[in-house]
Amino acid sequence: GENVEQHPSTLSVQEGDSAVIKCTYSDSASNYFPWYKQELGKGPQLIIDIRSNVGEKKDQRIAVTLNKTAKHFSLHITETQPEDSAVYFCAASHTGNQFYFGTGTSLTVIP
Amino acid sequence: DAGITQSPRHKVTETGTPVTLRCHQTENHRYMYWYRQDPGHGLRLIHYSYGVKDTDKGEVSDGYSVSRSKTEDFLLTLESATSSQTSVYFCATTGENGYGYTFGSGTRLTVV
Repeated sequence: GENVEQHPSTLSVQEGDSAVIKCTYSDSASNYFPWYKQELGKGPQLIIDIRSNVGEKKDQRIAVTLNKTAKHFSLHITETQPEDSAVYFCAASHTGNQFYFGTGTSLTVIP
Repeated sequence: DAGITQSPRHKVTETGTPVTLRCHQTENHRYMYWYRQDPGHGLRLIHYSYGVKDTDKGEVSDGYSVSRSKTEDFLLTLESATSSQTSVYFCATTGENGYGYTFGSGTRLTVV
């Protein structure tokens, strides 16, 4: 099956700085890569996704990049704010039904 | 998490007892999923359903069974709970395109 690795496991940044979280995947058939944000005591929430026919996607302060050749994709958060503090998960899928998740990154934005 | 309700939110049970967790959705979504979340493992798929009475196993299905008798309800049963099944369980749904999960708020299960 697919194997998704996520780094770093923890990340602390000063408010206003950028944060980058990286994921690699093993199955070249994977073609859909969502990112989820999980706040304490809540379920994960989809924040951005990208399909394999696109190299980059942006939504305000959040962007995702995909390198199919290297089998890695990254989440970029610019101008970080305290409310960005949460656990972030990447995932990969080639069926749209069975997703394989990374182990999560705990992001802390220091005011 | 509008449209997806998980019950109970918290449960403590004893080893060897049966436990059923419920997921109820009002989105009329075809696909429903059960995941467990554990430190160091992220989210792992237990079982999923692609329609009423149509279910399939996920990555970590041993010790779990599911049932879906109505579009809106997806039940996860631990036939005989073990301490290794202590976890946070999340239900998720997707629409026809199968992408873009919506998760419930989770059930924290402790097996003592």
